[in-house]
Amino acid sequence: GAVVSQHPSRVICKSGTSVKIECRSLDFQATTMFWYRQFPKQSLMLMATSNEGSKATYEQGVEKDKFLINHASLTLSTLTVTSAHPEDSSFYICSARDSAGTNEKLFFGSGTQLSVL
Amino acid sequence: AQSVTQLGSHVSVSEGALVLLRCNYSSSVPPYLFWYVQYPNQGLQLLLKYTTGATLVKGINGFEAEFKKSETSFHLTKPSAHMSDAAEYFCAVSGDKLIFGTGTRLQVFP
Repeated sequence: GAVVSQHPSRVICKSGTSVKIECRSLDFQATTMFWYRQFPKQSLMLMATSNEGSKATYEQGVEKDKFLINHASLTLSTLTVTSAHPEDSSFYICSARDSAGTNEKLFFGSGTQLSVL
Repeated sequence: AQSVTQLGSHVSVSEGALVLLRCNYSSSVPPYLFWYVQYPNQGLQLLLKYTTGATLVKGINGFEAEFKKSETSFHLTKPSAHMSDAAEYFCAVSGDKLIFGTGTRLQVFP
């Protein structure tokens, strides 16, 4: 079946550095991908909707300049956390929408645990 | 606008007992509804979904959910809990984007 690959699964970085997270749809084309953030023991909060070839749509309260999203191809979206700080430490999850056929499906990556020291 | 409410952040059951996780939704259009399970430090796995048609939906691992429009509910059930069912469960409603509930942590005691 369809698979979404998210990489890396875990990253530790120093405060002030930037971290890039990749989300790939392996066997389908995803015109739309979503990025979520999850704090410990909390639900997933939608950060932004990424559309191939256009600018991402950010949810209210999400800093566009801090969380850069690029969706340059139909199988790849990236989230870059710029100038990371300890408060950015969180679990980030991507999902990709497979709209082919009549039965739309949404698939999730396995998540990235970001720890900023 | 769409929203989903999960009643009860924690549910504890004994192994073999009935599992009932509650979810109520709000939607201005006919909703698509989902239940996901998340194990520690992992992504989400789809348990089941309702789009159209039969209101009783069967999913993986013996779980099922019933869409009740009159009650705006989509509760998740399993007749007999297993230790491996212990996880976080999320109800979600979909329109142009997928909105998650706050989650319910299921504990299963031997």
